[in-house]
Amino acid sequence: GAVVSQHPSRVICKSGTSVKIECRSLDFQATTMFWYRQFPKQSLMLMATSNEGSKATYEQGVEKDKFLINHASLTLSTLTVTSAHPEDSSFYICSARAGLIGQSNEKLFFGSGTQLSVL
Amino acid sequence: GEDVEQSLFLSVREGDSSVINCTYTDSSSTYLYWYKQEPGAGLQLLTYIFSNMDMKQDQRLTVLLNKKDKHLSLRIADTQTGDSAIYFCAESIQGYQKVTFGTGTKLQVIP
Repeated sequence: GAVVSQHPSRVICKSGTSVKIECRSLDFQATTMFWYRQFPKQSLMLMATSNEGSKATYEQGVEKDKFLINHASLTLSTLTVTSAHPEDSSFYICSARAGLIGQSNEKLFFGSGTQLSVL
Repeated sequence: GEDVEQSLFLSVREGDSSVINCTYTDSSSTYLYWYKQEPGAGLQLLTYIFSNMDMKQDQRLTVLLNKKDKHLSLRIADTQTGDSAIYFCAESIQGYQKVTFGTGTKLQVIP
C-alpha cells in the first residue's frame, strides 16, 4: 500500500528553539496533507489542512504563526514548531490523501508520527 | 458538531473474537473508518465503509454499521497477540476534508 514517511520520529529540544517535522508521500502524489496532534490517552486532533501550493487552513485554536506549515510539492509537507515550549510537547502525526475526493479510490495514509519533547 | 465515542479498553483471550464499538453523532457522515495504532507508530487504515452499506468483511475483520443508531463496530475474528493495539474509529463528511476521530480503544490480547 501507499507509504507516508514522517521524520524525525523523536526529537528533544530546548525551550525557545524551532523544530521542523517532514512528511513525505513516497509512492503517490498528495494534493492534500493533514497535520494532527495527539495528547496522551486522547484522540487525534486535526491542527491544519495543507494543500499543495496554497496556504494551510488551520483549525480553530491553532496558532498559525507558531505552527508553520509548508506544502511546496505534491510529495512533501513540513510542520515547523516555532519557539517551542514545554506545552508543545506532544505526538504529531501527518497524513496524506490519495485518490480523488468522494471517489472509491480515496484513502488517507498516516505517517509514523513524531514525539516532540520540549525541555 | 461531530462527536465520536468509543470505550477505552477491551481485553480478550487469544483465539476469541474481539468486538470494538463506536458511536457517532453526525448523521451526514459519508465514510466511517477503522484505524490501528501500534505503540509509537502512526495510524494504519484497516478498513472503511460507506454510509450506504451496513456490513463489510475483509478476512478476519467485519465492520457493521447501524446508521439508524449511529453505531459502528469492528469484529476481529480469532484475535492474535499481534492485534494488541489502539483502534480508532473515525468519520468524515464530504470526503476527506475533515476526519473526526474517536478516543481510541486499547485492545489487550491475553495469550
